[in-house]
Order: sequence, then structure tokens, then C-alpha cells
Amino acid sequence: NAGVTQTPKFRILKIGQSMTLQCTQDMNHNYMYWYRQDPGMGLKLIYYSVGAGITDKGEVPNGYNVSRSTTEDFPLRLELAAPSQTSVYFCASSYWGDEAFFGQGTRLTVV
Amino acid sequence: AQTVTQSQPEMSVQEAETVTLSCTYDTSESDYYLFWYKQPPSRQMILVIRQEAYKQQNATENRFSVNFQKAAKSFSLKISDSQLGDAAMYFCAYRSGTASKLTFGTGTRLQVTL
Repeated sequence: NAGVTQTPKFRILKIGQSMTLQCTQDMNHNYMYWYRQDPGMGLKLIYYSVGAGITDKGEVPNGYNVSRSTTEDFPLRLELAAPSQTSVYFCASSYWGDEAFFGQGTRLTVV
Repeated sequence: AQTVTQSQPEMSVQEAETVTLSCTYDTSESDYYLFWYKQPPSRQMILVIRQEAYKQQNATENRFSVNFQKAAKSFSLKISDSQLGDAAMYFCAYRSGTASKLTFGTGTRLQVTL
């Protein structure tokens, strides 16, 4: 019963590097989300998806890209990493109206 | 756009006592859902309780209950018989009934003392 799985758990990137944060869920949820959480702050929505092939921007999409080719997977791509992208990233999934289930988070540091 | 406000950055409660965390939200919709999530030091986001706006009865889950005041757009969380394991960040969240986005407040850090 894995739920929402994120990889990696920790990563250090150099400025200008790129990486993909992986997220997969095994609950057949149609909605998936990417949030970032800066120190002492709440969660801000980066991108979300209401189903395979459909994605939309959240509050803070700049510097990120997503794709949703399957129901299970929702990877987040960081292009040209910047120090401002240092944060903890959470992937989540849900059914319509139901609670969102979260992954364990990825702590990303850009130096 | 919907906003969620948690005006208490930090709260403290003694073990076995009761504490109430505040949350207000701004929306023009009548159909929506409200949630309280707990984030312990492990970083995992854990659902504590949920409330559907169309339900007048306040939700309750064991020691956790809410005071949902729809007209005042207020959704406070009451923790009874506080335990050391309740120490965490608590986030209030809002989801529209017609949209998929989940909007979070800035959180309240709860300390539980002996």
C-alpha cells in the first residue's frame, strides 16, 4: 500500500543544472499536485493535473514544467535551477472533493 | 481567488489541556471543502479532519473537532486532551466544490508542554 511516492528525498543542485522530481501514486486518483514549501511557510501550488494529458498552472509555476502521460505519474521538471528554488517539494493526489494524500517530500537545495 | 488565513503563527498548550487553532477563509462560493492537516517534524502531511460546507454539523475525529461558522467564514480546530504527539505544524486548507485546487494557510506551530 505505497500511496504517493516521491523520489529523491534529498538533492543538491548547482545553479543552472536541471533535474526531474518523480511522483507516482497507486490509488488511481485523477487529481495530482505539486507544491513547494519554503521554510516557515505554507504550501504553494506549482502545477496540478485533473487527469492524464491535462495540466494547469498554480500560483508559482515559473521555472518548472510538468507532464501527465499516465494516471499514476506526475513528474516535475526544474530547468536552469536557481537559489530561489531551494525548498521542500510535495507531490499529492486525490479524488474530486476528497482529502489529498501527500508524498514524503523532496528537500532540494540549489547552490 | 480564495485565500486562507491562519493568524496564529505559534501556539502552546499543556499536556491534557485543550487548545483551539484559528482559520478564516475568503470565498464567494457556497460549495466547498475545508481541511486541517498536521505536519510533524517528519515532514509528512497528515489529514486531521475535513468538513463539507453543505453540512451544518461540525466534524469530529476522536480528540479533534472543528467549529465551522459558514457565515463568518471561520473554521477553527479544537484539540482536546492534548498529547505530546500533537506537537506539529497545523495547516488549514480550502478546496472549491467546482475546482480541483487545494489552497493552504501559512500554518500554526503547536507546542505541547509537560
